[in-house]
Amino acid sequence: GIQVEQSPPDLILQEGANSTLRCNFSDSVNNLQWFHQNPWGQLINLFYIPSGTKQNGRLSATTVATERYSLLYISSSQTTDSGVYFCAVLSAGNNRKLIWGLGTSLAVNP
Amino acid sequence: EAGVTQFPSHSVIEKGQTVTLRCDPISGHDNLYWYRRVMGKEIKFLLHFVKESKQDESGMPNNRFLAERTGGTYSTLKVQPAELEDSGVYFCASSQDRHSNQPQHFGDGTRLSIL
Repeated sequence: GIQVEQSPPDLILQEGANSTLRCNFSDSVNNLQWFHQNPWGQLINLFYIPSGTKQNGRLSATTVATERYSLLYISSSQTTDSGVYFCAVLSAGNNRKLIWGLGTSLAVNP
Repeated sequence: EAGVTQFPSHSVIEKGQTVTLRCDPISGHDNLYWYRRVMGKEIKFLLHFVKESKQDESGMPNNRFLAERTGGTYSTLKVQPAELEDSGVYFCASSQDRHSNQPQHFGDGTRLSIL
């Protein structure tokens, strides 16, 4: 089945710094979503981005489907950005189950 | 539009007891999914309903887990009897029908702790 790899696994930033998180996937996808799991365990949907570029405030994401990767950019990081960032994909075809990466654990220090 | 809602938000039970989790999808969403994150590991798919029918239950770990979606509206996930390794966060998601390339919308999850 499709494999999803995220990097880096852990990241520590000072408040105000920028960062790039990466998600590689091993096959064609119909759907790619980025999520933030906050310290309370809630999953926040950041982007639905099977291809192209989207921006939402300090966050933006780019997916290059032909090269099988997606990037999540966090600019001017804040302590509230801390948590785990997950990438999840739907492989091409009729399969509807999201396959998840292991996540990037981000800690933003004041 | 109300999002996906899950109840309870947190449940603490003893090993061997029974727990039932509930999920209310976004109104009009035929697809309903259950996922879980156990022991800080990756999030894994459990099963997928299309309306009241189980479309894919390949991720259900064993027969202690029973999911239902009577009437095609809300869904329940029952764990009976609960074991220590069932601790984790259980997420429910829903999506519109027709195309697989629709985003899945997630609830806040139920944090399940087995003592």
